[in-house]
Amino acid sequence: ETGVTQTPRHLVMGMTNKKSLKCEQHLGHNAMYWYKQSAKKPLELMFVYSLEERVENNSVPSRFSPECPNSSHLFLHLHTLQPEDSALYLCASSQDRSSYYNEQFFGPGTRLTVL
Amino acid sequence: SQKIEQNSEALNIQEGKTATLTCNYTNYSPAYLQWYRQDPGRGPVFLLLIRENEKEKRKERLKVTFDTTLKQSLFHITASQPADSATYLCALPDSSYKLIFGSGTRLLVRP
Repeated sequence: ETGVTQTPRHLVMGMTNKKSLKCEQHLGHNAMYWYKQSAKKPLELMFVYSLEERVENNSVPSRFSPECPNSSHLFLHLHTLQPEDSALYLCASSQDRSSYYNEQFFGPGTRLTVL
Repeated sequence: SQKIEQNSEALNIQEGKTATLTCNYTNYSPAYLQWYRQDPGRGPVFLLLIRENEKEKRKERLKVTFDTTLKQSLFHITASQPADSATYLCALPDSSYKLIFGSGTRLLVRP
């Protein structure tokens, strides 16, 4: 596979469930990102990892827990979510976090619905 | 903090015409500005980057301009096609080089 892949593509969960989103990049990049995209709103940056180290946490509630075991994989662990957390969750990667032009490559996203 | 403004109303044009989308920012001029295309239910796809010292950038039917005096970038698609219908996002780096995105403008090209 090439580019950035995300699984699952769709997820429906109850507020008491625990689930995980997975992202994998096949581009040899050193930086990975989680974004949240709600209807009619701009992409919201959630987390940034650079060389497996979390370098950004944009005031995200603790019910979202990221994990980056290596530079190719990124997870977002979800627990006790709220209905307002329903959104498209996008993973992205770039060459590195501080590269001057920082073009980002996005995965197809996971459409999350919290009941 | 930097804010990006893109027209929230959809742009509806006839096939073959030129589509022009606007991106305005509010504070300091960024070192560069990027444009992405996003189709429904999909992740954004990078299209073009223009640097602060460049007035214009072209790629096939796409053209981007960057006016630091007006704090504005224009994105043009010439000879538009129905397949160009999508949402177009403007993005630029904040002070720590994180990318921030506009809400996007939806383009509809009628056959």
